[in-house]
Amino acid sequence: GAVVSQHPSWVICKSGTSVKIECRSLDFQATTMFWYRQFPKQSLMLMATSNEGSKATYEQGVEKDKFLINHASLTLSTLTVTSAHPEDSSFYICSATGQNLEKLFFGSGTQLSVL
Amino acid sequence: QKEVEQDPGPLSVPEGAIVSLNCTYSNSAFQYFMWYRQYSRKGPELLMYTYSSGNKEDGRFTAQVDKSSKYISLFIRDSQPSDSATYLCAMRNKAAGNKLTFGGGTRVLVKP
Repeated sequence: GAVVSQHPSWVICKSGTSVKIECRSLDFQATTMFWYRQFPKQSLMLMATSNEGSKATYEQGVEKDKFLINHASLTLSTLTVTSAHPEDSSFYICSATGQNLEKLFFGSGTQLSVL
Repeated sequence: QKEVEQDPGPLSVPEGAIVSLNCTYSNSAFQYFMWYRQYSRKGPELLMYTYSSGNKEDGRFTAQVDKSSKYISLFIRDSQPSDSATYLCAMRNKAAGNKLTFGGGTRVLVKP
């Protein structure tokens, strides 16, 4: 199966700082990537969809100026949480799919803790 | 009402038993149905992928889709403690591209 690598797996930062999370497709070209947020014992909540070379499409209620998504290449998308606050603490997961791929493959997730 | 409903559990079974999981949905346009397994603090792992109605078997896993009832199931035979995880159903329709709609997940505990 296709492999999606996500880094870091966990990060602790101070309130007010920015944090960048990377999502890479290792063995396929990811034409579309998705970013999710997950709270404990809850399901995945889609934050945004990004297509390579285009601006991300954000779900309702997700602040695009706070959660910056860049999908500049077919193998890399990044999510930057700007001016992080404790309420941004969560588990963030990326997923990717490629042209002619019907399935979606997930990264291993990033646990963000904002102090 | 959520588009996809899934009992949160927890579902506790003894080792070797059959685990039975299901989801119901309201959107008749869904065509592709998936089951993911998620261990704590890890990304979801695709277990089963089915298109339209019918059954699909892969090792100890069997997925069933009944589009007329808007009901999908996952059965795990000969369950092992390593099957203890949260199981998420997901579905999509072609018009939505690859955007998935997830159920809330069912936590499963297989006791040795």
